[in-house]
Amino acid sequence: AQKITQTQPGMFVQEKEAVTLDCTYDTSDPSYGLFWYKQPSSGEMIFLIYQGSYDQQNATEGRYSLNFQKARKSANLVISASQLGDSAMYFCAMREADMNYGGSQGNLIFGKGTKLSVKP
Amino acid sequence: EAQVTQNPRYLITVTGKKLTVTCSQNMNHEYMSWYRQDPGLGLRQIYYSMNVEVTDKGDVPEGYKVSRKEKRNFPLILESPSPNQTSLYFCASSLRGGLTYEQYFGPGTRLTVT
Repeated sequence: AQKITQTQPGMFVQEKEAVTLDCTYDTSDPSYGLFWYKQPSSGEMIFLIYQGSYDQQNATEGRYSLNFQKARKSANLVISASQLGDSAMYFCAMREADMNYGGSQGNLIFGKGTKLSVKP
Repeated sequence: EAQVTQNPRYLITVTGKKLTVTCSQNMNHEYMSWYRQDPGLGLRQIYYSMNVEVTDKGDVPEGYKVSRKEKRNFPLILESPSPNQTSLYFCASSLRGGLTYEQYFGPGTRLTVT
């Protein structure tokens, strides 16, 4: 079963509007971390935002916020006031406990990504 | 400048010719990892290392080798490359392997095996 599901292969948004990119995850561990990365056409991977499973509040970083609904196992990325430079692939990822290391460390598991295109 | 570097950035090679992709980080990170990215599949982990001399297989380790003799370097070795290893490869590192640490990525190496 997929650990990270991003159901939107591609999305369009008008410049200056807000957009939500969906991400659902599957884990039975109580401790995990959720991450969003951006990959522009130039290819590099850029870290955007992090949410811990025990965090009480939704994470925010500038125009990025994470709509974390733990019971639903969803961690949607919200980009406010979209800009042309936001056009890119966006990947949701989860770091869950690795029992080979006593559960205190873990590897990053990625979804397949959503391609966001911002229209002028 | 804190960064992860990879070399080469682009490589075209032939089936069976051994190659090494180097990865180096200057942030004193304990955790390092290799991923491959293929269209429609996202990033899949090949190997990872929690610290010096500690390496483990990821989801797609077949056909690859790694070593971690020093903290800063984590080379990826393809002993006998095949066309199905044509891909975009990323090296990444984080301070530790803990659940809260984001990974920093290198610029990627685009490998073509003919």
